[in-house]
Amino acid sequence: EDQVTQSPEALRLQEGESSSLNCSYTVSGLRGLFWYRQDPGKGPEFLFTLYSAGEEKEKERLKATLTKKESFLHITAPKPEDSATYLCAVQAGSGGYNKLIFGAGTRLAVHP
Amino acid sequence: DAEITQSPRHKITETGRQVTLACHQTWNHNNMFWYRQDLGHGLRLIHYSYGVQDTNKGEVSDGYSVSRSNTEDLPLTLESAASSQTSVYFCASSLGQLTDTQYFGPGTRLTVL
Repeated sequence: EDQVTQSPEALRLQEGESSSLNCSYTVSGLRGLFWYRQDPGKGPEFLFTLYSAGEEKEKERLKATLTKKESFLHITAPKPEDSATYLCAVQAGSGGYNKLIFGAGTRLAVHP
Repeated sequence: DAEITQSPRHKITETGRQVTLACHQTWNHNNMFWYRQDLGHGLRLIHYSYGVQDTNKGEVSDGYSVSRSNTEDLPLTLESAASSQTSVYFCASSLGQLTDTQYFGPGTRLTVL
């Protein structure tokens, strides 16, 4: 069964304290791995798509990396406005065309 | 600007009532999706559509139905609302290529009393 697991469930950081969020997956035939940011009371906002092991993408203080079993979202020198829930999702060959399987998310709180 | 909207944003209803949640996108996307989000479960797929007149069941489709009569809209109907359907519902759309990004609406918070 295809599965996506995110860790930790919650993370508290001080402003400027870099860290990483983990997304591990077991799927049949990965087609793509997606990272979203979700603010309270809002819909998920797209951040990155990764397609193959070794691929990396960056946006401001965020950098996403992908291996054959997991993805990391690295947050460098975070600011309070980076506080949000970060969601990971995979599109797998066994899941059918364009369907996503989501992890439960990591709630990030960055304190000044 | 192109966007995806949902209405209502908040809804309170009673057990047994029929409820319809609206989703409208102006991107001209072929694919549309409905998810529910509950604490501890993440986003779970309810129904999805790859185009007009096409609908498919997701992993948690019992008690829900959808219809796609045009490209822009995919309404979600709860035939007889149950307390277990209290949740936040998100609509999403994507262009329709083999691997492409889904863009989400703002969500509808539904409470079934």
